[in-house]
Parts: sequence; C-alpha cells; structure tokens
Amino acid sequence: QKEVEQNSGPLSVPEGAIASLNCTYSDRGSQSFFWYRQYSGKSPELIMSIYSNGDKEDGRFTAQLNKASQYVSLLIRDSQPSDSATYLCAVKGSSGDKLTFGTGTRLAVRP
Amino acid sequence: NAGVTQTPKFRILKIGQSMTLQCTQDMNHNYMYWYRQDPGMGLKLIYYSVGAGITDKGEVPNGYNVSRSTTEDFPLRLELAAPSQTSVYFCASRLQGDQPQHFGDGTRLSIL
Repeated sequence: QKEVEQNSGPLSVPEGAIASLNCTYSDRGSQSFFWYRQYSGKSPELIMSIYSNGDKEDGRFTAQLNKASQYVSLLIRDSQPSDSATYLCAVKGSSGDKLTFGTGTRLAVRP
Repeated sequence: NAGVTQTPKFRILKIGQSMTLQCTQDMNHNYMYWYRQDPGMGLKLIYYSVGAGITDKGEVPNGYNVSRSTTEDFPLRLELAAPSQTSVYFCASRLQGDQPQHFGDGTRLSIL
C-alpha cells in the first residue's frame, strides 16, 4: 500500500463546475496536510494547508480533512481553464522530517 | 523576496561527467530537500537536511551526494553522470514543525 494515494486522472470537468480531488494516506498519526498545484514544466506551488478535521476555505478552494477515515480532499469551485494542472497531495507523517507526496491528479478544465 | 533559488535552470552533461546543482534559500529555513521528478511521474526524495551539518538519505540517494555547511545552501553533487539521472531536480525548504515546503523553480538536467 502506498503511503499517500491519489487517482492519477485525468479528471475532466467543464468550466464553472466543481472539481473534487481526493487523497488517502496510511499513517494514522499524520498531522499536517498540504495541496500543491503543478503546472506542466513548472515547480509545485502550495495552495492549501490543513491541520484539523473539517473544512478550510480559501477563495475558490476548500480543503477537507477526515482523520478518522484518513482522507483529505480539495474542492475547486467555479473551475477555470487556468486551473488545469496536476494537483499533489502531501502529508507530514507522525515521525520524521519529511513530507510524503502522492503522485498527483491531473485536472483538465474544458471551456 | 527570492525564496528558494536553484542554478542552473538547464544543463546538458555527457555520461561520466560531474556537476553540482546549487540551491540557496533566504528564508532562514532549517529544513531543505532535494527531489527528482521524471516525466509524468511524482516527486522522489533524494536527500534532505534538518539543519546545517546534518544530512540524511531519501528514497533514491544512489549516485548523488550533498552537504549543508550553512543554513542557506544545500548543493547536490552528481558524480559520474548516467543517462538514468536525466530528470528535473527540485530543491525545497521549510521552516520547522508543521510548516509547508516551498520549492525552487527546478533544474532540468539531460545526460547524453
């Protein structure tokens, strides 16, 4: 079992729709969770951090965390073609000093 | 605000050559990381450092070396370059605790 799992996609949504990206993790003691966006040929860019159960909203983005189910998600409302990118889920485990990254979900927003 | 700076941005090496990828950060971050990302793949951790003078291996350290003599700099050394090391290399840093990582723009390396 991979430590952090994401569906590789591509996830295709029409412009204006809600995109839902999901991530599961195996370390039950994990405390910190991050979503990064990576455009093709560019470096990962932090878009959301979440540390406690529930929802955290920032503009069109909402991160959702459920530690009991070991599940973190990212919702993108009113999706735009400029949101087309790969979204990486990263988790800081209960031990160590590293983030574990998922392989990413590719999102395509069609006009 | 420079953040994490990587040089060079692009490099072509011949098999067997050596080079150093430079990474420097101006945020006084304790932790620094080197990743490689092959086309269409995820990030793989090569080496990391939790502070000056302290380094540790990640999941793919073979063929690489690092040093951390200052808080700001974390160079990655490739000895005897091989075609399998063709990749994009990202350096990242973070402050401490539960703070997120911030990435440099990457170095695209081709070995022919």
